[in-house]
Amino acid sequence: QSVLTQPPSVSGAPGQRVTVSCTGTSSNIGAGYDVHWYQHLPGTAPKLLIYRNDNRPSGVPDRFSGSKSGTSASLAITGLQAEDEANYYCQSYDSSLNVVFGGGTQLTVL
Amino acid sequence: EEQLLESGGGLVQPGGSLRLSCAASGFTFSKYAMGWVRQAPGKGLEWVSSISGSGGGTYYADSVKGRFTISRDNPKNTLYLQMNSLRAEDTAVYYCATNLFITAAASYWGQGTLVTVSS
Repeated sequence: QSVLTQPPSVSGAPGQRVTVSCTGTSSNIGAGYDVHWYQHLPGTAPKLLIYRNDNRPSGVPDRFSGSKSGTSASLAITGLQAEDEANYYCQSYDSSLNVVFGGGTQLTVL
Repeated sequence: EEQLLESGGGLVQPGGSLRLSCAASGFTFSKYAMGWVRQAPGKGLEWVSSISGSGGGTYYADSVKGRFTISRDNPKNTLYLQMNSLRAEDTAVYYCATNLFITAAASYWGQGTLVTVSS
């Protein structure tokens, strides 16, 4: 059971917009700690997509965006492409457990 | 270009020990905190441990506290994870990552090394 809750799966057709939610509590996201997002393809190194809630590292397309409000955060992907099919994880800090990850969300491009 | 290369994984019996290494290149290693994250088969990412750039600060997940030790050799640009008293539930791919410390994001990750704990 992960401290941060993500939907197990989401899906969308090419060109559509999808969102991945990440729900925490008052001891992590709700306490004001930053949320980061990663993209992970099996057998490869995870890749940082969004850091500090809504910032994109150099090289990440602007189709990816992040937001945070209250005890939750969201990752939005617009103009969905086949190459976006991957697992997505949120990460934050919890005052009792240190670094915490969400359980991961598998994105399927239909 | 930043690169991280993990090594040291393999098959070990329950109760055994293993030391993982993560060789870093392409950046000033000593300036960055580092961390280890693992992924058990069919599961999500789980934070294991983090260490400050100087090595003076270390943090562990409750699941490994007292059994695993994180360390670094800055002149050798290498991060380590000493794993003792291994259990079946420690079976996972172990990734090293830069900057994974307290509230910061993990900027770069290695490809991972597989640890299998089984008799």
